[in-house]
Amino acid sequence: GDSVTQMEGPVTLSEEAFLTINCTYTATGYPSLFWYVQYPGEGLQLLLKATKADDKGSNKGFEATYRKETTSFHLEKGSVQVSDSAVYFCALSVSNTGNQFYFGTGTSLTVIP
Amino acid sequence: GAVVSQHPSWVICKSGTSVKIECRSLDFQATTMFWYRQFPKQSLMLMATSNEGSKATYEQGVEKDKFLINHASLTLSTLTVTSAHPEDSSFYICSVGSRANTEAFFGQGTRLTVV
Repeated sequence: GDSVTQMEGPVTLSEEAFLTINCTYTATGYPSLFWYVQYPGEGLQLLLKATKADDKGSNKGFEATYRKETTSFHLEKGSVQVSDSAVYFCALSVSNTGNQFYFGTGTSLTVIP
Repeated sequence: GAVVSQHPSWVICKSGTSVKIECRSLDFQATTMFWYRQFPKQSLMLMATSNEGSKATYEQGVEKDKFLINHASLTLSTLTVTSAHPEDSSFYICSVGSRANTEAFFGQGTRLTVV
């Protein structure tokens, strides 16, 4: 079945450090891949997405590339800020499931000054 | 993107009572909405798929008589937690799909605490 495996946290980084959060997936069809971010006490917000192989999603300095050969969608940011502290969820959606999403377990990121 | 409004944002109720959570799609007619539950420090788990004008589809292990879902219109789905118990305390969040069927939009979530 469809699933997402995400690097476990928590992750603590100093400001301006490089961030990588690993995500791999298993899907029976042709999924779209997403990273969602959840700030404390809030709902999920879309951070970036990629809908087909080799697409790169980017937003707010974050990037992730849809790698079909390695079934991965790792999230990266070159220089994190304190305001990036949140929980990050990797997710996939297969269109024939009508927008049902499968989420990874989430990775908590704390950036310290 | 679609705007999804969820109400209430948080609720505290006594054990044994019922709580209704509303999920409204403000600018998008949603034939399908999804309800998720998130326990502390865990991921979101799909509870059920809410279908406009028909019965909801529940995931394995989710009690349909306890978590009543009604999707009476294209803009509103409700989740009622019946006879709530402390173990039902969780963060409940709904989502609707996009027109392109490649993105979901989430409500703000409802934090339920049963005491």
